[in-house]
Parts: sequence; C-alpha cells; structure tokens
Amino acid sequence: DAGVTQSPTHLIKTRGQQVTLRCSPISGHKSVSWYQQVLGQGPQFIFQYYEKEERGRGNFPDRFSARQFPNYSSELNVNALLLGDSALYLCASSLVGTQRGYTFGSGTRLTVV
Amino acid sequence: GQQLNQSPQSMFIQEGEDVSMNCTSSSIFNTWLWYKQDPGEGPVLLIALYKAGELTSNGRLTAQFGITRKDSFLNISASIPSDVGIYFCAGQAPGVEYGNKLVFGAGTILRVKS
Repeated sequence: DAGVTQSPTHLIKTRGQQVTLRCSPISGHKSVSWYQQVLGQGPQFIFQYYEKEERGRGNFPDRFSARQFPNYSSELNVNALLLGDSALYLCASSLVGTQRGYTFGSGTRLTVV
Repeated sequence: GQQLNQSPQSMFIQEGEDVSMNCTSSSIFNTWLWYKQDPGEGPVLLIALYKAGELTSNGRLTAQFGITRKDSFLNISASIPSDVGIYFCAGQAPGVEYGNKLVFGAGTILRVKS
C-alpha cells in the first residue's frame, strides 16, 4: 500500500511568490492535516481537513490556505512568501473516528530566497 | 498555547546503552505519541499511548503515558547505530473532535557511538 505521498519534494521560490503543495493520503484515510517544520524544531500544526471542510487551524496568517478534494487529496497554498516560510511542510493522514493512524509523508522542502 | 517540554535536547551515548527521554506539559493530553525522524524524511510513528498509566512496548522501545496525563517517557534499550535520529513526542488534547491536531516537542537528537 502506498503511504502518504507529497509533491514536489523540493521547491525554491522567491519572496512574494505563491506556492502550492500537494498531498495524497493513505487509501481509506479521510482526514488530512498540514504541519510546518522549521529546521531544528518540531512540526507545527497548520490545518486539518475532513470531508472537504476545514476542521482545525493553527496559529498561521491568512496567507496560508488549504483545501481538500472529493478524493481526499489536499493542497496547501501559501501566498506572498516570506523568507521565514522556508521549512519542511508535512502532510499527515488519519482515520477519523479512531485515534490511530497518524501517518506522515516525507514532506516538501520549501526554500524561499 | 499548549507547549511540550522535551528533554534532553540531545544525547550522545555508547552503543549498547539504554536511553531515556521524556516530555512534560502544563496541559493534559488524551493521546501521547512518539515519533522518530531521519534526515530528509517525515516523522515515523514508534509508539502510541491512549490511556493514563498505559505502558507500551515496541521491540526495544518502551513508552508510558503519565498518570497525570501531562507527561510521557520513552526508553530505548541496548541502543544500536541505527537508533540515531531525532525523536519527537507529540500530544493530542482533549476535545479535538476530529483528531490529528498534534502538539510536538522540540525533539531529542540521539547520536550513538559505535
């Protein structure tokens, strides 16, 4: 079975640009969450989506947005990129209704220059 | 907001030694998770704990969910070189209906001397 897949794996953008990151959850997982991991720190929660609706949002500015599609895949968008947005962006999928199955993808490494 | 204090920040141990790390919080959690992250990869779940007092093992790894629900520890017995990496604790707070909103510690960097 495929795990959580994220694309692209690496990305370099210029300040002020916009970026879209993509995530496909494990088959059967209907919940997708996004985390930002700055070098040297633990992941920070950005969003959770379930059944195409936002179910939770972390302490991130409105430049960050996301959506979930009918096939449960998800996109994270970041507008007006800042140098501080450089990080590893992780997607996690899980089975809702159970506490089990928190599985992360390998992430997208975003570098803003 | 919720914060997890994870210690130690880093460890440099001899192969074969036992390792212990822990996480504490000012808030209660109803789930504690321990992850390992290798360079360039996402975190991989090692052990999940769902009840206060629960003690769970996964091979050479043992973790416990503290009675107060505000702490957890992870032990690794007889460390080997492939144990190197960054270990994270993560907690899920009560009242999170849809799950998956995890609060992470800052990580413990484990280095093993062979």
